[in-house]
Amino acid sequence: GAVVSQHPSWVICKSGTSVKIECRSLDFQATTMFWYRQFPKQSLMLMATSNEGSKATYEQGVEKDKFLINHASLTLSTLTVTSAHPEDSSFYICSASPVTSGGDTQYFGPGTRLTVL
Amino acid sequence: GIQVEQSPPDLILQEGANSTLRCNFSDSVNNLQWFHQNPWGQLINLFYIPSGTKQNGRLSATTVATERYSLLYISSSQTTDSGVYFCAVAANQAGTALIFGKGTTLSVSS
Repeated sequence: GAVVSQHPSWVICKSGTSVKIECRSLDFQATTMFWYRQFPKQSLMLMATSNEGSKATYEQGVEKDKFLINHASLTLSTLTVTSAHPEDSSFYICSASPVTSGGDTQYFGPGTRLTVL
Repeated sequence: GIQVEQSPPDLILQEGANSTLRCNFSDSVNNLQWFHQNPWGQLINLFYIPSGTKQNGRLSATTVATERYSLLYISSSQTTDSGVYFCAVAANQAGTALIFGKGTTLSVSS
């Protein structure tokens, strides 16, 4: 149980294009999902908190107009990287907590590796 | 915000050796998790352990919340244990995002 999926697992795009990444909780509902970014050989850094039915909360330094987050249902959150540039190349990981767990244990998706040429 | 420090940053072991990874945190937490990140980037939940002791096979973890640290023990290490181990914490109420330490990179050779 408690499986989180991400799609796509990797993507290569040209500079200036937009890329959408999906995060799904497959066997549980999550009112809150989180998006992290990880650069090579570094730790995970929180980008934003995604709440079902409301606007996302972004961490300081994360451009909300560049990283669009939509949490349309209790099992799906999407992250769109708009007008991507090479510096946006990174490993993007989402996580979710089952509603039934009271928001404690978080489960992570397998990540999406974005390369912007 | 809360600070998370992990030590050592790197650890090299021979197969069969035991090891202890440490995580110090700067404030009270209501969530502490240990993860293993495999070479493909997947984070594997090892323990949810805001306090107390848990064991799962060759792995065990102890969190002393009053002293703000947690330990992850790996016994009889195997090459498949290689990877990065992260400690992550959350303070305040449930549903708060996890703050990650910088990780310990473990290399186990045969």
